[in-house]
Amino acid sequence: QVQLQESGPGLVKPSQTLSLTCTVSGGSISSGSYYWSWIRQPAGKGLEWIGRIYTSGSTNYNPSLKSRVTISLDTSKNQFSLKLSSVTAADTAVYYCAREVVVVAATQTYYFDYWGQGTLVTVSS
Amino acid sequence: QSALTQPASVSGSPGQSITISCTGTSSDVGNYNYVSWYQQHPGKAPKLIIYEVSKRPSGVSNRFSGSKSGNTASLTISGLQAEDEADYYCSSYTSSSTRVFGTGTKVTVL
Repeated sequence: QVQLQESGPGLVKPSQTLSLTCTVSGGSISSGSYYWSWIRQPAGKGLEWIGRIYTSGSTNYNPSLKSRVTISLDTSKNQFSLKLSSVTAADTAVYYCAREVVVVAATQTYYFDYWGQGTLVTVSS
Repeated sequence: QSALTQPASVSGSPGQSITISCTGTSSDVGNYNYVSWYQQHPGKAPKLIIYEVSKRPSGVSNRFSGSKSGNTASLTISGLQAEDEADYYCSSYTSSSTRVFGTGTKVTVL
């Protein structure tokens, strides 16, 4: 059974960099069948896709966050990470990591099948 | 990129059927059959219930069904049950190779 677990500081000061790590167990992050994604949800609001990384290291980011986001991969630890710079109160949210299926039986597809439990990050001085 | 548009709330009585719409553009919903739906109970992570417009993952009730017409995808819940009370989100692949979620719909079982 695949499991994802977010970890990182729950409190970040304004203008600083938010850093989170997602540890994947029960499956290899090096599999070519998946993207590894970050998604966030402010309290009482909807889901917002932040970005994703492939095993090759290629990335795609939400255009509205692109200038501040970096997602990276550590295959030796079976982890991937999120860095969001110059944070403000508007970045306060529950952050989820998720696995996105991109290939099934040699056929292209896209959907998020496994999610972490989420971690609340508050931006405040 | 703009969020896909969903009704803020939908309600129904036990046993009834309800439908949630998800409207996008020709750059996302209208041009790709990569629409998925997620159910989220309070304080929990989203759970996949529909992928590729109308396919159900193993273990998901057949009371959930999906469809698409033009730029609008739809999720139908038939035989509404108390446990279906939750928030529902659609998601789509986009022409920019990014992903976009819907605004979310709160389903209330009366």
